[in-house]
Amino acid sequence: KNEVEQSPQNLTAQEGEFITINCSYSVGISALHWLQQHPGGGIVSLFMLSSGKKKHGRLIATINIQEKHSSLHITASHPRDSAVYICAALLAYNNNDMRFGAGTRLTVKP
Amino acid sequence: DTEVTQTPKHLVMGMTNKKSLKCEQHMGHRAMYWYKQKAKKPPELMFVYSYEKLSINESVPSRFSPECPNSSLLNLHLHALQPEDSALYLCASSQPGLAKNIQYFGAGTRLSVL
Repeated sequence: KNEVEQSPQNLTAQEGEFITINCSYSVGISALHWLQQHPGGGIVSLFMLSSGKKKHGRLIATINIQEKHSSLHITASHPRDSAVYICAALLAYNNNDMRFGAGTRLTVKP
Repeated sequence: DTEVTQTPKHLVMGMTNKKSLKCEQHMGHRAMYWYKQKAKKPPELMFVYSYEKLSINESVPSRFSPECPNSSLLNLHLHALQPEDSALYLCASSQPGLAKNIQYFGAGTRLSVL
């Protein structure tokens, strides 16, 4: 079993839909990272959170430390949101070490 | 400036070639990372330098040789690679010692080994 599990693996949505991507982890973490990777490679950090909820524009990330679960929500999705979304756990005992989920490939159709 | 710059963007090399990948950041970060990413897979950690010293080597083959000449630069020297080493190589940097140690990623070098 992977230390960081994401679901779904693939997600197709219509423009305007509300999207949720889930992440569960089994390791002790100091923080959880949500990353976005567009085709071509570059990875952008969306959020790093260790408790509660963070919001940036149409993106919302939540984390429940007791349940070891985090979600990334996209409101009013747009085709430009199409990308791979990766959650990554920053390990509590070594915060130079990050364990990645397999990623969720999101396609938003116009 | 939150930029991590990687060069080259693309590299094609033969199995007998020697080449180097370069990574640079000017954010004052003292931890730098090399990741390897195969298609449709998450990044896999290869090396971590913390304060210019190698702190994590995830059992990477010796045909990959990292070098951290100073706190702003990270190189990955490649020699006698195999076709299965073709991948996207990502560099990242962060400030160690922080509880929320955000890693900033470069755009990657797409490597093809023929």
